[in-house]
Amino acid sequence: GESVGLHLPTLSVQEGDNSIINCAYSNSASDYFIWYKQESGKGPQFIIDIRSNMDKRQGQRVTVLLNKTVKHLSLQIAATQPGDSAVYFCAENAISGNTGKLIFGQGTTLQVKP
Amino acid sequence: NAGVMQNPRHLVRRRGQEARLRCSPMKGHSHVYWYRQLPEEGLKFMVYLQKENIIDESGMPKERFSAEFPKEGPSILRIQQVVRGDSAAYFCASSPPTKTQYFGPGTRLLVL
Repeated sequence: GESVGLHLPTLSVQEGDNSIINCAYSNSASDYFIWYKQESGKGPQFIIDIRSNMDKRQGQRVTVLLNKTVKHLSLQIAATQPGDSAVYFCAENAISGNTGKLIFGQGTTLQVKP
Repeated sequence: NAGVMQNPRHLVRRRGQEARLRCSPMKGHSHVYWYRQLPEEGLKFMVYLQKENIIDESGMPKERFSAEFPKEGPSILRIQQVVRGDSAAYFCASSPPTKTQYFGPGTRLLVL
């Protein structure tokens, strides 16, 4: 069935180090993937997205990598800062099916140590 | 440009009462989505609406829950005869067609 999962529930990194958050998905029909950041008491905040016709996309301090062969998605955060501490969710969608439905993973908590 | 707005931010209801959650999409967005989040869990899709139409309600419980997005005004998620298991954070998102969904701050529903 459909599922999006994350390999690690909590990731602790030192300020200034790079962070890598992983995600596995199982729906072959998914062609659009998004990473969201959620701080305590707030709604998910869009970070970066990628379509299935790409394998890498870069933003400001963030990079998303997509490996369709093994159905794996990762979010890399360069020079992690205390303000990056939050729960990170990957989500998938089959845009071609026009369902609009996002399937979220369980989330990885990123803790940044000063 | 204001983001997605939701109200109330916090809602307390007793068992058996009705809960009404409102969502105003971002300006120019014609698509609205509702998700539910239980503590320590990811968001679960509930329903996808366009103006005056329900496109996908595959995540909505069969009873007590309904949603609408009228021609004028905000989208409403309505929960009748609430039970304690309905306690959760309810998030609304909006988007243009086939574009990124942007989320509101959520409504935290507590059923006593």
